Amino acid sequence: DGGITQSPKYLFRKEGQNVTLSCEQNLNHDAMYWYRQDPGQGLRLIYYSQIVNDFQKGDIAEGYSVSREKKESFPLTVTSAQKNPTAFYLCATLGGVSYNEQFFGPGTRLTVL
Amino acid sequence: QKEVEQDPGPLSVPEGAIVSLNCTYSNSAFQYFMWYRQYSRKGPELLMYTYSSGNKEDGRFTAQVDKSSKYISLFIRDSQPSDSATYLCAMNPSGANSKLTFGKGITLSVRP
Repeated sequence: DGGITQSPKYLFRKEGQNVTLSCEQNLNHDAMYWYRQDPGQGLRLIYYSQIVNDFQKGDIAEGYSVSREKKESFPLTVTSAQKNPTAFYLCATLGGVSYNEQFFGPGTRLTVL
Repeated sequence: QKEVEQDPGPLSVPEGAIVSLNCTYSNSAFQYFMWYRQYSRKGPELLMYTYSSGNKEDGRFTAQVDKSSKYISLFIRDSQPSDSATYLCAMNPSGANSKLTFGKGITLSVRP
């Protein structure tokens, strides 16, 4: 089955710790994205990558970092500099017939204790 | 003015009702219009996809785009409790632009 996997589904972190969220895809899509979703805020773009070894900041990149060493993988690190990291994190790719369709993973719920 | 505005809701309707969900936008360059459905604690899934103006129907769902008014709608006929979810509109200009612009989403509850 083609798709996007995110792990873990739930993640707990103590304040001051860095944590890395995994995102893997087997859709063979070039572009990958990380969004953050908070109640009432919609989807906010953190980082995106259109090709391996290249990525761009989105609207709320501060306190986050990414890497894109492989086409299939786009991990997101939430650093201790992120002031309010508790949120639902969604990984996505861009594909479809006209390369305008966003495909989403199941999400990771991060809670800072 | 935000690029995409979506009624914040929430919206509660009885089973069998016709539901109308709407988004307005300001960027006249948008050509591709999408509706996503998101169940609680899940990732959004693409529900409807429309290019440019016009209507598109898929079962109980109809997507409508009016580019002259910069207004898109999603209609759900004979709504079911299983339609209870958050609905997000999304849009993208034509060409190689790789960032979609999303509405904030509206949560729909269909009461049995």
